[in-house]
Amino acid sequence: GENVEQHPSTLSVQEGDSAVIKCTYSDSASNYFPWYKQELGKGPQLIIDIRSNVGEKKDQRIAVTLNKTAKHFSLHITETQPEDSAVYFCAAPLRGFQKLVFGTGTRLLVSP
Amino acid sequence: DAGVTQSPTHLIKTRGQQVTLRCSPISGHKSVSWYQQVLGQGPQFIFQYYEKEERGRGNFPDRFSARQFPNYSSELNVNALLLGDSALYLCASRTESTNEKLFFGSGTQLSVL
Repeated sequence: GENVEQHPSTLSVQEGDSAVIKCTYSDSASNYFPWYKQELGKGPQLIIDIRSNVGEKKDQRIAVTLNKTAKHFSLHITETQPEDSAVYFCAAPLRGFQKLVFGTGTRLLVSP
Repeated sequence: DAGVTQSPTHLIKTRGQQVTLRCSPISGHKSVSWYQQVLGQGPQFIFQYYEKEERGRGNFPDRFSARQFPNYSSELNVNALLLGDSALYLCASRTESTNEKLFFGSGTQLSVL
């Protein structure tokens, strides 16, 4: 089955710095890769996603890159702000989008 | 537009009891999925339902069951609660069973004492 590994588990940056979170997946048939942001007491919020027919997608300060050959995908946050502090999860689908397999999460702390 | 809504937000039960959690999907979404999130981990897939039919089941015991109603809302039922069932239970919806984008509610925090 699908396995998704996520690193690092915690990440501390200063406001204005960039943050990068990396994930690897095992199922070469996976073709859709979402990223979720989860704040305390809330459910995961879809912030950006990418399909396997593109290598990069950007939305304002966040971007996702995909290397299908290496089975890696990464989340990039530029000009970080304190409100970016949250737990971020990557995920990959199994069985044709029937289920998402999530990484173990990265706790991002942005200090003012 | 309202997002995915879940009730109750918090619940405390004792071992051996039964619990029912409720979910209303985003308007127009026909597929509902349930996930369990243990503290410090990512969500784990429990069920997917589409048009009232079960379309997928994760690696959970038969104590876990669910159903979807004609209005696409859903219930998750857990029988014979164990301490290890304590978790955040998340409901998510998507437009169709094969649509990729999945949107989550805020969850029901279940504590089993």
